[in-house]
Amino acid sequence: DTGVSQDPRHKITKRGQNVTFRCDPISEHNRLYWYRQTLGQGPEFLTYFQNEAQLEKSRLLSDRFSAERPKGSFSTLEIQRTEQGDSAMYLCASSLARGGGVIADTQYFGPGTRLTVL
Amino acid sequence: DQQVKQNSPSLSVQEGRISILNCDYTNSMFDYFLWYKKYPAEGPTFLISISSIKDKNEDGRFTVFLNKSAKHLSLHIVPSQPGDSAVYFCAASGGGSQGNLIFGKGTKLSVKP
Repeated sequence: DTGVSQDPRHKITKRGQNVTFRCDPISEHNRLYWYRQTLGQGPEFLTYFQNEAQLEKSRLLSDRFSAERPKGSFSTLEIQRTEQGDSAMYLCASSLARGGGVIADTQYFGPGTRLTVL
Repeated sequence: DQQVKQNSPSLSVQEGRISILNCDYTNSMFDYFLWYKKYPAEGPTFLISISSIKDKNEDGRFTVFLNKSAKHLSLHIVPSQPGDSAVYFCAASGGGSQGNLIFGKGTKLSVKP
């Protein structure tokens, strides 16, 4: 049983560069979430997909952040023109939502991508 | 304004004793609560959950209690083991959160041999 995987695990970049992170969810999961975690805080929700539809993106931190899930499988999170304040752990989670509407489901997290912006 | 609060940043417990981690929430519309465990440089690992229609859920050494009137939940670990040393996060969903989880800041548990 393969869990959620994320790539890369670590990324160091210079301010102003663009970065892209990839998340592969658990294979049968239809929901995929992105979170950000900074030191001393719990994960903070950014956006989520149900299949290929992005159902919530108002929590993305700025218009420099965007996410895609083109075929309803893996997802990418891109940060353009990175700033030092973007340094954080970016976490991906997936879940299997049964039925329609907003349903409570258990989310399983990947190992995260640690971003350092110099 | 934090909707999920873990007021104890750290907790130290002797091996074999009970660990009790607490969590308070403010949104009465939350209907699903989860506990995650996190080791450094890893993602959170799901431990146990509880629906708002229940007041207790048990899984092995882990039990979660929910007190809806007090908007309080707790995680009990009995007996505590050194491998339980980690940061524990309480999370909630529902109440218009659109399925995403709202996390507390975490409590660092240290279990001493």
